[in-house]
Amino acid sequence: QSALTQPRSVSGSPGQSVTISCTGTSSDVGGYNYVSWYQQHPGKAPKLMIYDVNKRPSGVPDRFSGSKSGNTASLTISGLQAEDEADYYCCSYAGSYTVVFGGGTKLTVL
Amino acid sequence: EVQLVESGGGLVQPGGSLRLSCAASGFTFSSYWMSWVRQAPGKGLEWVANIKQDGSEKYYVDSVKGRFTISRDNAKNSLYLQMNSLRAEDTAVYYCASKYGPRYFDYWGQGTLVTVSS
Repeated sequence: QSALTQPRSVSGSPGQSVTISCTGTSSDVGGYNYVSWYQQHPGKAPKLMIYDVNKRPSGVPDRFSGSKSGNTASLTISGLQAEDEADYYCCSYAGSYTVVFGGGTKLTVL
Repeated sequence: EVQLVESGGGLVQPGGSLRLSCAASGFTFSSYWMSWVRQAPGKGLEWVANIKQDGSEKYYVDSVKGRFTISRDNAKNSLYLQMNSLRAEDTAVYYCASKYGPRYFDYWGQGTLVTVSS
């Protein structure tokens, strides 16, 4: 049950694209197509942004996209906007009805 | 509108106990797995426990096994977390979340703060 590895911070200017990586193992990220991503603004509850690696819930802008290769999943945010500034967490199913989160990435919009 | 409202947090001494509750509305509570997820101050999210729709299966992160118990009352649309033998490292905001099987957490409450300190 070790946390997934995310960069502590990323940044980009409005209109640019950024990608946040999430590295696990073959027992979690690499073993299942059950990676999800959550956005959390300060003092707020997390919000689901991507599920099943690359699916977007209703209401999430298509500027948010997800992908996976091997043991690493990625969240890409294109056309950065000021309101995208937040913490982002990846999460993966890890077998036996357990899940593991990443350590979180702080996105700064310059 | 889906709502999850946690309660029961507060200050407790090391070794003490606390029971958290989560009141659910706006969806068919009995059809969903439910979970508790916590976040220590300034830290990341940590999954704590899951419970199946009928309460027959429960799963925990290793660090709380034997100390925490997740339960639910579908007649009351409520989720609970009984926390015993609390430690300083259990200090966190505890979130109640609905879970779509093993796949993802779709709805979250606003959280309740638990502080373990003497």
